[in-house]
Amino acid sequence: AQKITQTQPGMFVQEKEAVTLDCTYDTSDPSYGLFWYKQPSSGEMIFLIYQGSYDQQNATEGRYSLNFQKARKSANLVISASQLGDSAMYFCAMREEATSGTYKYIFGTGTRLKVLA
Amino acid sequence: NAGVMQNPRHLVRRRGQEARLRCSPMKGHSHVYWYRQLPEEGLKFMVYLQKENIIDESGMPKERFSAEFPKEGPSILRIQQVVRGDSAAYFCASSPPQYGTQYFGPGTRLLVL
Repeated sequence: AQKITQTQPGMFVQEKEAVTLDCTYDTSDPSYGLFWYKQPSSGEMIFLIYQGSYDQQNATEGRYSLNFQKARKSANLVISASQLGDSAMYFCAMREEATSGTYKYIFGTGTRLKVLA
Repeated sequence: NAGVMQNPRHLVRRRGQEARLRCSPMKGHSHVYWYRQLPEEGLKFMVYLQKENIIDESGMPKERFSAEFPKEGPSILRIQQVVRGDSAAYFCASSPPQYGTQYFGPGTRLLVL
């Protein structure tokens, strides 16, 4: 079974509109972390936002927010006021404890976002 | 504070040669992860190291691939006798000793001719 599922291989959004990128996860660990990374065409992996499993509030970083629904095991990324520079591949990832003091990071397959002018 | 450094950024090898990829983690980070990304695909975990220890190598091919993270110096991913299928982007990421965010280097693009 997939631990991290991103069901949208590709998305389009009009410039200045908001867009939601879906991510669901599967873990039995009570303590875990959820991350989103952006990979533009230049290839680097850019950390965007983090949500801890015990965090009461949804994480926000500028135009990025994470819609964390723990009971549904979803961690969707919301980008508000899309810009042309947001066109990129977006990866959702989960960190869970492997053994005491060590952690595994598991990545989804990604969603390619294209912002239209 | 310098980010995760990887070199070289691009590496071209002929079939049968060895490829050595280097990764210097961020200051204060003692956990290093290596990932491989094939064109138009996601990241595949390869190996997780701490200083002088391999913690998890479940994603490493059994042959030709090895990794180390010595007490001094960068982490090294070594691919012996490269084949065309090894052509990919190899990313290194580091994280602090405790519960922390993983940050990525710029990647090494390996092309095997």
